[in-house]
Amino acid sequence: RKEVEQDPGPFNVPEGATVAFNCTYSNSASQSFFWYRQDCRKEPKLLMSVYSSGNEDGRFTAQLNRASQYISLLIRDSKLSDSATYLCVVKINYGQNFVFGPGTRLSVLP
Amino acid sequence: DAGVIQSPRHEVTEMGQEVTLRCKPISGHNSLFWYRQTMMRGLELLIYFNNNVPIDDSGMPEDRFSAKMPNASFSTLKIQPSEPRDSAVYFCASSFFRGGQETQYFGPGTRLLVL
Repeated sequence: RKEVEQDPGPFNVPEGATVAFNCTYSNSASQSFFWYRQDCRKEPKLLMSVYSSGNEDGRFTAQLNRASQYISLLIRDSKLSDSATYLCVVKINYGQNFVFGPGTRLSVLP
Repeated sequence: DAGVIQSPRHEVTEMGQEVTLRCKPISGHNSLFWYRQTMMRGLELLIYFNNNVPIDDSGMPEDRFSAKMPNASFSTLKIQPSEPRDSAVYFCASSFFRGGQETQYFGPGTRLLVL
């Protein structure tokens, strides 16, 4: 089993739709969780950290379920500019490496 | 802040040649990571350093790859000799730890094509 798994998509949604991505991780000792966004031919960029209580940043909401080892990202009122690949990232502890999922590709259509 | 700086941004070379990729992490960051990304394999961690010391190089494909971090502000990834299958985008990233959270930032990448 891979350490971090994601549905590769692609997710094709119309503008204004709500879309949710899921991610599962295998190491129960994982401590830090993130969502990154990667545009075509660009580097991954931090979208948001994921906290135990869940957190929101504008149209983006991240949730963490430690018991199920599951992370989610919800995008409301999707924009054309949200089209990208969304990478789930997990880290066990400080001083250890970040483990990236394979990414989920999103296309928001006009 | 200038962000993570990588050079060159693009490199085209012939099989058998030596390739050296360079990275300057964000000042104050104490971890540095080298990744490789291809369509087939996605983003792969090659090696990472903490306080200039290599911690995990298990992702380095083979002896043709080597990485160094002589000081906190510079790292190199060398491929010698290069092969066509090394063609990929190579990212350098650095991270810092603050407030119980470690955050990682990527450089723009080096696009390597080995002919």
